Amino acid sequence: SAVISQKPSRDICQRGTSLTIQCQVDSQVTMMFWYRQQPGQSLTLIATANQGSEATYESGFVIDKFPISRPNLTFSTLTVSNMSPEDSSIYLCSADSGYTFGSGTRLTVV
Amino acid sequence: AQTVTQSQPEMSVQEAETVTLSCTYDTSESDYYLFWYKQPPSRQMILVIRQEAYKQQNATENRFSVNFQKAAKSFSLKISDSQLGDAAMYFCAYRSARGGGSNYKLTFGKGTLLTVNP
Repeated sequence: SAVISQKPSRDICQRGTSLTIQCQVDSQVTMMFWYRQQPGQSLTLIATANQGSEATYESGFVIDKFPISRPNLTFSTLTVSNMSPEDSSIYLCSADSGYTFGSGTRLTVV
Repeated sequence: AQTVTQSQPEMSVQEAETVTLSCTYDTSESDYYLFWYKQPPSRQMILVIRQEAYKQQNATENRFSVNFQKAAKSFSLKISDSQLGDAAMYFCAYRSARGGGSNYKLTFGKGTLLTVNP
């Protein structure tokens, strides 16, 4: 299975700013997935990113808030825009087969 | 849409004992995968065990085994000889086996917090 490197591992950000999270996969993958895990909650899919096309967002998530890039078959970024304290969560990426994950990004918005 | 239910928000077990975590799911599909993940405080999602729905044999990984009952849509995780390092949040998850693309997303249960007592 693919090995996924995710960074940053954690960050504390001011409200109104944006943070970009990166995921690098050690092999070429078709699909990448971005999940959010709010405090004490389970994981919820934000969007699916296919190389060469726009990401597909789940209900409740919009591109303006969570823009995603997928420039090649081994890399993707998720940006959390115009952050508020409600965006404080763990963000995780996974790839292709969908069942291996990056190490996660713990985001705190103050 | 598929749903995954974990009815035990918290469980505890004595070190060296056996514990079973419950998971049920709902789907109209016949071909799918089921997973158990461990999430320690480090937040990383660690795959514990995977079961393909077409396989009747229950998956095992060392001290971890599952009881997969397809007709009952039940997928429980048994941890034998529990160790202090097993303490974590455990998530049950479902993934379709067909269609590719966004169909490969995981649907998670709400999790079970496992405490291991020395």
